[in-house]
Amino acid sequence: SQQGEEDPQALSIQEGENATMNCSYKTSINNLQWYRQNSGRGLVHLILIRSNEREKHSGRLRVTLDTSKKSSSLLITASRAADTASYFCATAIQGAQKLVFGQGTRLTINP
Amino acid sequence: GAVVSQHPSWVICKSGTSVKIECRSLDFQATTMFWYRQFPKQSLMLMATSNEGSKATYEQGVEKDKFLINHASLTLSTLTVTSAHPEDSSFYICSARENQGQVLGEAFFGQGTRLTVV
Repeated sequence: SQQGEEDPQALSIQEGENATMNCSYKTSINNLQWYRQNSGRGLVHLILIRSNEREKHSGRLRVTLDTSKKSSSLLITASRAADTASYFCATAIQGAQKLVFGQGTRLTINP
Repeated sequence: GAVVSQHPSWVICKSGTSVKIECRSLDFQATTMFWYRQFPKQSLMLMATSNEGSKATYEQGVEKDKFLINHASLTLSTLTVTSAHPEDSSFYICSARENQGQVLGEAFFGQGTRLTVV
């Protein structure tokens, strides 16, 4: 069953703007991960944040984690047309050796 | 990062036939591999966890006899869709992780297989 809900389901912005996607989950986690998927392709790992971390950066990506609210956000700064893709959060649940994916956000960057 | 190769990338088969999909970790050993199914514009649904040398663990609602999983080596897992029907048409994706201990870290994904049953 899906654990994560992502918001918004779809987001369309202009190139150069920042894009923010949110993810909520239900159970205790070891870590939370964000992945990107281009249409009809596999997933690419973007960033992992551990349950004891609050914020993490990687290039133009910024991820936050609030375990008290069971939520995370992914910020992509200075967006580019090539960032157009679907973005998924995935939680590594405590006690379970599997990732559970959220519903995903379809991001469209307009040139 | 590590590379996972999935083959074929697409396949069309007739109803009633069986289709095998391969998932290989090319430059690392993977004790555990995962098989997902994805419907258009939807998220990934975990079907089963494939364990090298032992039986796969299936998620609730996934038919074991319909989706046969074999993980015979540390670099290869296969998913066989048996007696395929049009409703089995979907995008199937595998992933693997390096043997890094108990906590599940970054997963590496194959390119996916688009199965169409006619």
